[in-house]
Amino acid sequence: KAGVTQTPRYLIKTRGQQVTLSCSPISGHRSVSWYQQTPGQGLQFLFEYFSETQRNKGNFPGRFSGRQFSNSRSEMNVSTLELGDSALYLCASSPGGQGAYEQYFGPGTRLTVT
Amino acid sequence: AQRVTQPEKLLSVFKGAPVELKCNYSYSGSPELFWYVQYSRQRLQLLLRHISRESIKGFTADLNKGETSFHLKKPFAQEEDSAMYYCARSTGGGNKLTFGTGTQLKVEL
Repeated sequence: KAGVTQTPRYLIKTRGQQVTLSCSPISGHRSVSWYQQTPGQGLQFLFEYFSETQRNKGNFPGRFSGRQFSNSRSEMNVSTLELGDSALYLCASSPGGQGAYEQYFGPGTRLTVT
Repeated sequence: AQRVTQPEKLLSVFKGAPVELKCNYSYSGSPELFWYVQYSRQRLQLLLRHISRESIKGFTADLNKGETSFHLKKPFAQEEDSAMYYCARSTGGGNKLTFGTGTQLKVEL
């Protein structure tokens, strides 16, 4: 099976702009989670989508949002970008259902905000 | 708040020496705990999870509820074990993972 793919891999944006990142999960996986990774804060959970519904949410401001499509592909959007949003954004997919499953991570999207 | 603590940022050992990567978690109900690993220029991937109780690449981890710990151990370190190791717990049901800050393991010859 093909692994989790994320596009784009690198992105440079300016403060105040908005950005959309995309994640394609492993075929058959219904859960997609997003994480932000920074040197200072480490890996932090943003949100999880399962069957097009947000199932879990982390402690990020409302500028961070996401959605999931019927084919399980997911997008996350960050509006009004701030310098502190510069990070590696990781997407992970899993079969879903209740309980904790192994998560398969993508390579990440490196976002730089200038 | 759920917390996962990895006290060591860097752990350096010689090849063939035992390895122990420490992980402590804040107590809450029945935790589900994992170790994820990231080798150089590779994706983050699952190493092992406590409910499977298996040994992967010679690594084992035992959940100690009394000490709220889930330390990762290997009796004899190999050069290929050099990587970043993250301890994580599942919280709130579903797939919300809370990660520790990670420990960089360096195995020296």
